[in-house]
Amino acid sequence: AQKITQTQPGMFVQEKEAVTLDCTYDTSDQSYGLFWYKQPSSGEMIFLIYQGSYDEQNATEGRYSLNFQKARKSANLVISASQLGDSAMYFCAMREVSYSGAGSYQLTFGKGTKLSVIP
Amino acid sequence: DGGITQSPKYLFRKEGQNVTLSCEQNLNHDAMYWYRQDPGQGLRLIYYSQIVNDFQKGDIAEGYSVSREKKESFPLTVTSAQKNPTAFYLCASSIPDRGVNTEAFFGQGTRLTVV
Repeated sequence: AQKITQTQPGMFVQEKEAVTLDCTYDTSDQSYGLFWYKQPSSGEMIFLIYQGSYDEQNATEGRYSLNFQKARKSANLVISASQLGDSAMYFCAMREVSYSGAGSYQLTFGKGTKLSVIP
Repeated sequence: DGGITQSPKYLFRKEGQNVTLSCEQNLNHDAMYWYRQDPGQGLRLIYYSQIVNDFQKGDIAEGYSVSREKKESFPLTVTSAQKNPTAFYLCASSIPDRGVNTEAFFGQGTRLTVV
């Protein structure tokens, strides 16, 4: 079973509108971290926002916020006031304890959502 | 400026050849990673290293090899045993791999094409 599921291969949003990118995850751990990364066409991965499993408040970073619903195992990214520069691939990722490889903390990625912002 | 440098940006390989992708970081991070990205597949972990002279296989290690002789460097060799090496390769690093809240920092990537 996939650990991170992003069900939207592609999304369109009008400039200045808000958009929600979906992410659901699967883990039996109590302690885990959820991350969102942005990948522009140039290829580098840019860290956007982090949510810990014990954090009671939803994370926010500027125009980015994370709608964390623990019982539903979802961690949706909300981008407010979209800009043309937001057009990119967006990846949801989870870090949890891996009990192979000497107990390291593995980062697992979803398949991504391609966001296109329309002027 | 601190960061992760991958080179080259584009690499072409003939079938049957080994090639080495470079990854250097000056962030003083202990943990380093190699990911492979194929269209529609997201990122998949090839190898990771938590400290110098130690590394572990990830989910798709077959046909790849790594070394970690220095903290700053984590080169990836794509061997002739890798059946489908054409992909985008990303190197990443993070602070000591102690918790679930450690984000990973990425390089610009290397696009490998087999010709």
